[in-house]
Amino acid sequence: ILNVEQSPQSLHVQEGDSTNFTCSFPSSNFYALHWYRWETAKSPEALFVMTLNGDEKKKGRISATLNTKEGYSYLYIKGSQPEDSATYLCASLGSWGKLQFGAGTQVVVTP
Amino acid sequence: DARVTQTPRDKVTEMGQEVTMRCQPILGHNTVFWYRQTMMQGLELLAYFRNRAPLDDSGMPKDRFSAEMPDATLATLKIQPSEPRDSAVYFCASGEDSHTEAFFGQGTRLTVV
Repeated sequence: ILNVEQSPQSLHVQEGDSTNFTCSFPSSNFYALHWYRWETAKSPEALFVMTLNGDEKKKGRISATLNTKEGYSYLYIKGSQPEDSATYLCASLGSWGKLQFGAGTQVVVTP
Repeated sequence: DARVTQTPRDKVTEMGQEVTMRCQPILGHNTVFWYRQTMMQGLELLAYFRNRAPLDDSGMPKDRFSAEMPDATLATLKIQPSEPRDSAVYFCASGEDSHTEAFFGQGTRLTVV
């Protein structure tokens, strides 16, 4: 994988349901994997920064895992709420400090 | 409340004009990124600096774009001459170092007519 790829591009979730989505990134020259939350008309805000293979991070109902050997990360939202509606971006940080973003997964939570 | 400040917030200009966007990173941050928001690619990396030195600007169209950090409190992105296809939102972000989270400014919405 040469670029950071996220799937799916968008998803609709019913309030209360849990969901997850994927980020794939180049495993060579890897230093860290970032997740950001981006609400409409605002700026991206960091959720997690992960560096070690097997890392798991959690913030409230949102959690993330990291597999650096195979180059993927999952973001999980448990019990989705309408306020979770946003675009979730992942970004791969290479050893030279280059932070490259995927195109994002747009999450829409409907009541 | 430390934050990244970008000016102007909105800019409308005519094709062929020079455009300069400015970014004030968070005090003490030594890494600065410039991104362009596109429909297809999300956040496209244009250039980034560490300790004011440009490390990579391979994402920028070299013939018309230039990025500089005249001092630690100011980063600039210049387009000369501007073209309609440059219309986008340009984000600046800074980080304490290259290995921690990036903090984003509010963006500059550029419209070239």
